[in-house]
Amino acid sequence: AQKITQTQPGMFVQEKEAVTLDCTYDTSDQSYGLFWYKQPSSGEMIFLIYQGSYDEQNATEGRYSLNFQKARKSANLVISASQLGDSAMYFCAMREVPYGNNRLAFGKGNQVVVIP
Amino acid sequence: DAGVTQSPTHLIKTRGQQVTLRCSPKSGHDTVSWYQQALGQGPQFIFQYYEEEERQRGNFPDRFSGHQFPNYSSELNVNALLLGDSALYLCASSLALGSPFNEQFFGPGTRLTVL
Repeated sequence: AQKITQTQPGMFVQEKEAVTLDCTYDTSDQSYGLFWYKQPSSGEMIFLIYQGSYDEQNATEGRYSLNFQKARKSANLVISASQLGDSAMYFCAMREVPYGNNRLAFGKGNQVVVIP
Repeated sequence: DAGVTQSPTHLIKTRGQQVTLRCSPKSGHDTVSWYQQALGQGPQFIFQYYEEEERQRGNFPDRFSGHQFPNYSSELNVNALLLGDSALYLCASSLALGSPFNEQFFGPGTRLTVL
């Protein structure tokens, strides 16, 4: 069963605008972690932000913030002040503690294209 | 400080052949995980190696096997290649006993094409 759902079609974003990428997840565990990765055309996965299931505050890392709504099982990524270099695929991923802390389940990704 | 490195960058094989992909983890990391990313999909977990043993395995057939060496580097072997094995293969390294956050660092991947 799909654990991470990312269903938005490809998005075009105006430079300097904010963009929100949706992610919903499915787990019965109480302890888990949520990650967002960026994958440019070069292929390398670049870590952006992390949210632990017990973290009370929404995570922020520079221009990236995570809108964590635990009851709704959603972990949306917000990119503020988009830059041309933000054009990439964005993946939401989950780590379920019972499966070990080195195993990630990824969604299918969101394509973002930033236009000048 | 070198990050995760993978070789080769690209590889073309024919059906039925065997392939070996290599990964060197980030300095100081002791755990290597392998992922398969088909075109247009997210990465799928293949397996993870720690202390030279396979510790966890995803839903992949036995044609996929691996190895970890004493220096923590790792190999992914795929036997009897199928067209469906064409994908980007990503290696990720981490610490087995890291923080609760325990970030995984990914390499640039090896793109395998099976003809």
